[in-house]
Amino acid sequence: QTVVTQEPSLTVSPGGTVTLTCASSTGAVTSGYYPNWFQQKPGQAPRALIYSTSNKHSWTPARFSGSLLGGKAALTLSGVQPEDEAEYYCLLYYGGAQPHWVFGGGTKLTVL
Amino acid sequence: QVQLVQSGAEEKKPGASVKVSCKASGYTFATYAIHWVRQAPGQRPEWMAWINTGNGNTKYSQKFQGRLTITSDTSASTAYMELGSLRSEDTAVYYCVREAIWMDVWGQGTTVTVSS
Repeated sequence: QTVVTQEPSLTVSPGGTVTLTCASSTGAVTSGYYPNWFQQKPGQAPRALIYSTSNKHSWTPARFSGSLLGGKAALTLSGVQPEDEAEYYCLLYYGGAQPHWVFGGGTKLTVL
Repeated sequence: QVQLVQSGAEEKKPGASVKVSCKASGYTFATYAIHWVRQAPGQRPEWMAWINTGNGNTKYSQKFQGRLTITSDTSASTAYMELGSLRSEDTAVYYCVREAIWMDVWGQGTTVTVSS
């Protein structure tokens, strides 16, 4: 069973920079896993932020960026705002004979 | 604007089935696939299945094989998810998600509660 792992929680000060990561139990995350990132606030559906590693949706604020870092997918927030406090989930695509998608365990980002 | 509007909350007994609908608007329904994702309370989202709304091709998570069926009706711009043999662990919010640019637009979610 494939497991996707994220930091359970991170804290950042307003205006600061923070990087969240996303690892796969199968090995290094590459662009072929098409990493996606989502933001979820309490009581709301997830909202898409990043697709295919580093591409932003039209509604994604410029302070969010995606990359690959040390064998993991990464989401960096630069100039963090109070409204960025939320749960962040990554999503990886596993192709092959039985294609499937797996979400990470989520990172609770606190802005303090 | 692009919207996915799902059917209302459901309460079911163990062993029953539930069918959730997802009506799309603001775009041509048959152009983009639909995923179904669920999220149990306090848990990560979990991918369940995918349907090509243009030709009906489907992919399912092995976890749900045999008790999950997803369909779509292009004339009604609506996708459906039916999960059978419900158990308490199926209590969750169920989402339909459009795949235009990966999983870009989410429905509001349908809460399914399974309890005796």
